[in-house]
Amino acid sequence: KAGVTQTPRYLIKTRGQQVTLSCSPISGHRSVSWYQQTPGQGLQFLFEYFSETQRNKGNFPGRFSGRQFSNSRSEMNVSTLELGDSALYLCASSPQGTLHTQYFGPGTRLTVL
Amino acid sequence: GIQVEQSPPDLILQEGANSTLRCNFSDSVNNLQWFHQNPWGQLINLFYIPSGTKQNGRLSATTVATERYSLLYISSSQTTDSGVYFCAVRGSRGANNLFFGTGTRLTVIP
Repeated sequence: KAGVTQTPRYLIKTRGQQVTLSCSPISGHRSVSWYQQTPGQGLQFLFEYFSETQRNKGNFPGRFSGRQFSNSRSEMNVSTLELGDSALYLCASSPQGTLHTQYFGPGTRLTVL
Repeated sequence: GIQVEQSPPDLILQEGANSTLRCNFSDSVNNLQWFHQNPWGQLINLFYIPSGTKQNGRLSATTVATERYSLLYISSSQTTDSGVYFCAVRGSRGANNLFFGTGTRLTVIP
């Protein structure tokens, strides 16, 4: 099976812009979770989607949003970018959710200038 | 959320040496995973181990859920083992997300 894919792999944006990141889970996996990794805060949970429904959300401002499509692909959007949003954004998929093994994609490295 | 502490934060080993990495967590869990993050940022699954012991080649892991800790053993280390090792847990109650530790940075020198 193909692994989790994320696009784009690298992105440079300026403050105030918005960005959309994409994640395609492993075939058959219905759960997609998003994480932000920064040197200062480490790995932090953003949100989890299962069958197109957001099941859980981390402690991030409303500028961070996401959605999941009927084919389980997921997108996350960050509006009004701030310098502190520069991070590696990781997506993970699993068959049913976080009770199961999580498989991570290669990540999207976002730089905000 | 659950607090996850990993030790040591940094570890430098000579190739061929053995090591033990520890993960302590503050509440009962129903998911615990060990990951290796490579230099490009990819998190690679090592073990799914909410309890018990598992082995995969030179790596093995043990989780004692009742005492709220897990150990990752690396034997006969190789330079390719270098990177950051993360422990991540999901609590048995409350939030459905994984909580990550701050990681152990392992450097294996030839």
